[in-house]
Amino acid sequence: QKEVEQDPGPLSVPEGAIVSLNCTYSNSAFQYFMWYRQYSRKGPELLMYTYSSGNKEDGRFTAQVDKSSKYISLFIRDSQPSDSATYLCAMSLNNAGNMLTFGGGTRLMVKP
Amino acid sequence: GAVVSQHPSWVICKSGTSVKIECRSLDFQATTMFWYRQFPKQSLMLMATSNEGSKATYEQGVEKDKFLINHASLTLSTLTVTSAHPEDSSFYICSASPWDSGYTFGSGTRLTVV
Repeated sequence: QKEVEQDPGPLSVPEGAIVSLNCTYSNSAFQYFMWYRQYSRKGPELLMYTYSSGNKEDGRFTAQVDKSSKYISLFIRDSQPSDSATYLCAMSLNNAGNMLTFGGGTRLMVKP
Repeated sequence: GAVVSQHPSWVICKSGTSVKIECRSLDFQATTMFWYRQFPKQSLMLMATSNEGSKATYEQGVEKDKFLINHASLTLSTLTVTSAHPEDSSFYICSASPWDSGYTFGSGTRLTVV
């Protein structure tokens, strides 16, 4: 079993829909949680960065962390075709100088 | 926000030659940088952790003599693929973390060995 599990998709939604992306993990020691967006042939772009449990909102994006369930989510409101990309969850034990553990990525397609 | 610059963005080289990839933190100092490799439609695979002023730490199965890492300053780490072969063709990405801000990635380098 992988340390971080993420449904690979592809997830196809119509423009304007609310998208829910999720990851589960097994290591309860993870403290920092991130979501990245990666377009084809580009490096990952940091979307959300959260510490411990709770919610964080930034524009159309909301990240949720439930450490008791070892479950994190990313919600995208009013999805746009430009949101079509692969979304990677990642987590680490501390906030710098420590390796990231990634999920396998979910491919999202937002259709106009 | 924090920026990590990676160069070149793509390179084609002949089998047997060496290729150097640079990773720079532009607006912060990075004691530690990370090098990843990514195959098509797969997630990132950590190759090594680059430590300023000391030897890199390589993940299991990564040949340290083939993938030479040098972290000579707080803003620059280099990855040299030595004696490249077609199976080394891949997408290489570096990352670093300003304190308490998440990890920022470079734009990646697509290496093709012919």
